[in-house]
Amino acid sequence: TQLLEQSPQFLSIQEGENLTVYCNSSSVFSSLQWYRQEPGEGPVLLVTVVTGGEVKKLKRLTFQFGDARKDSSLHITAAQPGDTGLYLCAGKSAAGNKLTFGGGTRVLVKP
Amino acid sequence: DSGVTQTPKHLITATGQRVTLRCSPRSGDLSVYWYQQSLDQGLQFLIQYYNGEERAKGNILERFSAQQFPDLHSELNLSSLELGDSALYFCASSVGGIGEQFFGPGTRLTVL
Repeated sequence: TQLLEQSPQFLSIQEGENLTVYCNSSSVFSSLQWYRQEPGEGPVLLVTVVTGGEVKKLKRLTFQFGDARKDSSLHITAAQPGDTGLYLCAGKSAAGNKLTFGGGTRVLVKP
Repeated sequence: DSGVTQTPKHLITATGQRVTLRCSPRSGDLSVYWYQQSLDQGLQFLIQYYNGEERAKGNILERFSAQQFPDLHSELNLSSLELGDSALYFCASSVGGIGEQFFGPGTRLTVL
């Protein structure tokens, strides 16, 4: 069974600070996706990383896929209150399109 | 707005009952996925359909079943409901069988 562990589970920071969320597994994934979910809504896809060592930037968000394709990180620079939400990583195995989700990191950015 | 629609948004029912959740995928998407999100288990994959055929199965209970119709909408049927079935149920869709998945707004099921 493939498992994805996210850390930390909860992060509370002040506006303007930086934060990093980690997603780790002992399994190899063919790709990894990051989603953000707000209360009462469905997860919204932020990015997909496919190649080991890949780095993708989306404005103030930087996503990295580990060289061995077992881990990933999400770094937010100069966080804003609008970044508040539940961040979920999800890995896809080579065998199919089923997503295995991490437990999520709840981020609170205080003004 | 992802383009995936789900109805109803909220559902309250009693133990032992049966309910049907409905999902319409994004225009052009052939694959539909169902996920369950609960506080203790997180987001769990239940089942995938591609162009009307079952493609993959996850942690779906025998009391649950799903199907995808010729117009590509999908229904998730939950029967003999238990308190522990209370959760958010999400549908996602993708263009093919292996593409990026886009999630609907979910159905919140409460079993009393």
